Amino acid sequence: AQTVTQSQPEMSVQEAETVTLSCTYDTSESDYYLFWYKQPPSRQMILVIRQEAYKQQNATENRFSVNFQKAAKSFSLKISDSQLGDAAMYFCAYRSVGVIQGAQKLVFGQGTRLTINP
Amino acid sequence: KAGVTQTPRYLIKTRGQQVTLSCSPISGHRSVSWYQQTPGQGLQFLFEYFSETQRNKGNFPGRFSGRQFSNSRSEMNVSTLELGDSALYLCASSGGPLNTEAFFGQGTRLTVV
Repeated sequence: AQTVTQSQPEMSVQEAETVTLSCTYDTSESDYYLFWYKQPPSRQMILVIRQEAYKQQNATENRFSVNFQKAAKSFSLKISDSQLGDAAMYFCAYRSVGVIQGAQKLVFGQGTRLTINP
Repeated sequence: KAGVTQTPRYLIKTRGQQVTLSCSPISGHRSVSWYQQTPGQGLQFLFEYFSETQRNKGNFPGRFSGRQFSNSRSEMNVSTLELGDSALYLCASSGGPLNTEAFFGQGTRLTVV
């Protein structure tokens, strides 16, 4: 079974600074998807960024980028120019690539609470 | 395009009762997954439906069940409620098994007293 570990329960950063959230995972599969989701106080999970394991290039979405190290099974999220609206719980998630069973099952880490200090 | 809609948003039930939660996916989406979120256990996968068929089930007791209708709307049911069932229940929809992105609803906060 796959597992996802986020070792930082809480992080804080000054507004406009850069912060990196860590995530490691364990799997025996060679192809899969990795995601970072954001959950603000409204509770709705919002997709921040996704990475396909077969792609060597790290995904980037505006101020958000990842450092995907497949061999090390590491998937960290870097937020540049942090803004007050970035304050939320951030979850790292894993999904198998499959057509039949478990195609949409996400395995989540425990989350990292990010605080932005003005 | 309307997002994923979960009803009700809040629910208070008594131990031993049963409860039904509803999820309407994004129009055109055929896959619906359910997750339980608690402070202690985090986010845990409950089950997934695609075209009215349960495709996968998480490690939850048989008191937790679900179904999906022909219009892709899904319901989950919890019978004989226990205090430990208090949680945020999240529903996610996607276009199907090959679609990578899951869109989440705002959840139903269930409190069992």
